Amino acid sequence: LAKTTQPISMDSYEGQEVNITCSHNNIATNDYITWYQQFPSQGPRFIIQGYKTKVTNEVASLFIPADRKSSTLSLPRVSLSDTAVYYCLVGGGYGGATNKLIFGTGTLLAVQP
Amino acid sequence: GAVVSQHPSRVICKSGTSVKIECRSLDFQATTMFWYRQFPKQSLMLMATSNEGSKATYEQGVEKDKFLINHASLTLSTLTVTSAHPEDSSFYICSASLIQGGSYEQYFGPGTRLTVT
Repeated sequence: LAKTTQPISMDSYEGQEVNITCSHNNIATNDYITWYQQFPSQGPRFIIQGYKTKVTNEVASLFIPADRKSSTLSLPRVSLSDTAVYYCLVGGGYGGATNKLIFGTGTLLAVQP
Repeated sequence: GAVVSQHPSRVICKSGTSVKIECRSLDFQATTMFWYRQFPKQSLMLMATSNEGSKATYEQGVEKDKFLINHASLTLSTLTVTSAHPEDSSFYICSASLIQGGSYEQYFGPGTRLTVT
């Protein structure tokens, strides 16, 4: 399973755009890239998933370069309630060897007023 | 859609007793369910993969006789912590896998806080 590397923590201010980058050099052909958000004492919440190029939904954008060895989660205009741990995971591609996901350390995003 | 529930949300039990945690996919049939454990200020650790109608696959270092998993249907998986000890106190989280397009999407339950006294 591809290992992911992301910053341990990031700080931001309300209203700013936040970009969190994740490295996954050993990503396999069948692997998708998925980002989750987790608040303390809660289960992770699905944010966005992509395979290549750019994906956008109502809460975030995901940028994936052509080589797919990294990805960037973009959160527009963060608020205090976006303070959480963000996890980048790779895997889950249909037809791949397995659909299990292995969590890395995650990035603790702290949003200040 | 894609809601996963867990019951109970928190449980306190005495050392030596067994505790059962339920995981349900409420509005979809899950091809696979997963069980994770999370200690304070740490990431989620995958314990086992649960497939309906077959034996669970445990990750290295996880005792299958201590953490019994039963996947009775496409919407229900249970984790039983047998002969619980204080070191088993943790946050247990399940997830259910749904095929969407060409990929699996995993949706997580709210977690169960287990405290063993």
